[in-house]
Amino acid sequence: QVQLVESGGGVVQPGRSLRLSCAASGFTFSSCGIHWVRQAPGKGLEWVAFISYDGSIKYYGDSVKGRFTISRDNSKNTLYLQMNSLRAEDTAVYFCAKDPIPYSSSRQNWFDPWGQGTLVTVSS
Amino acid sequence: QSVLTQPPSVSGAPGQMVTISCTGSSSNIGAGYDVHWYQQLPGTAPKLLIYGNSNRPSGVPDRFSGSKSGTSASLAITGLQAEDEADYYCQSYDSSLSGWVFGGGTKLTVL
Repeated sequence: QVQLVESGGGVVQPGRSLRLSCAASGFTFSSCGIHWVRQAPGKGLEWVAFISYDGSIKYYGDSVKGRFTISRDNSKNTLYLQMNSLRAEDTAVYFCAKDPIPYSSSRQNWFDPWGQGTLVTVSS
Repeated sequence: QSVLTQPPSVSGAPGQMVTISCTGSSSNIGAGYDVHWYQQLPGTAPKLLIYGNSNRPSGVPDRFSGSKSGTSASLAITGLQAEDEADYYCQSYDSSLSGWVFGGGTKLTVL
């Protein structure tokens, strides 16, 4: 079955960097776009970034633009999120979520399925 | 402040029906972008409930239904069950923000 497993979360000081990973299995990873979505403690969902199936298209939310970089290694079936200049407001559970339509970067698409998430805490 | 507006909470007794609204604008729902709904049980990841405004993935009971009109969308849940107690989120795309957007979420309490 389709599975997404995030890792790399932890406690990090403000201004420092962290890299998250999302390991995929159960589908042809190289054919699907993937999103990162985050959820601050007790808050709602916030879309963070998207990368197309081949990595040629990348989009970012305004709150992370210029600080976060999304990338993927299709040979390793893995998605990454490089987070630099971290702030307290970046504290959240970070989920990766699959675009369900192969070879599509459509704005109409939804997120399915989601990984279980990894917690990032930015604190001194 | 979320781009898509949902009521913070709704409640209903077992067996009853509840609806959750999702109000957007001319740059998202009103621009023709589809609305999708997710259910998030406590301590778990969101799960797709409705896609493309009104389509149910396999495995989702037909007690759940979605609709869209103008700049708004709605999720209806009939025959409420205790297991439906969760947070529900709508999602679409916003052309002004050039990004995917979520509603603030609605907590459903089954009385």
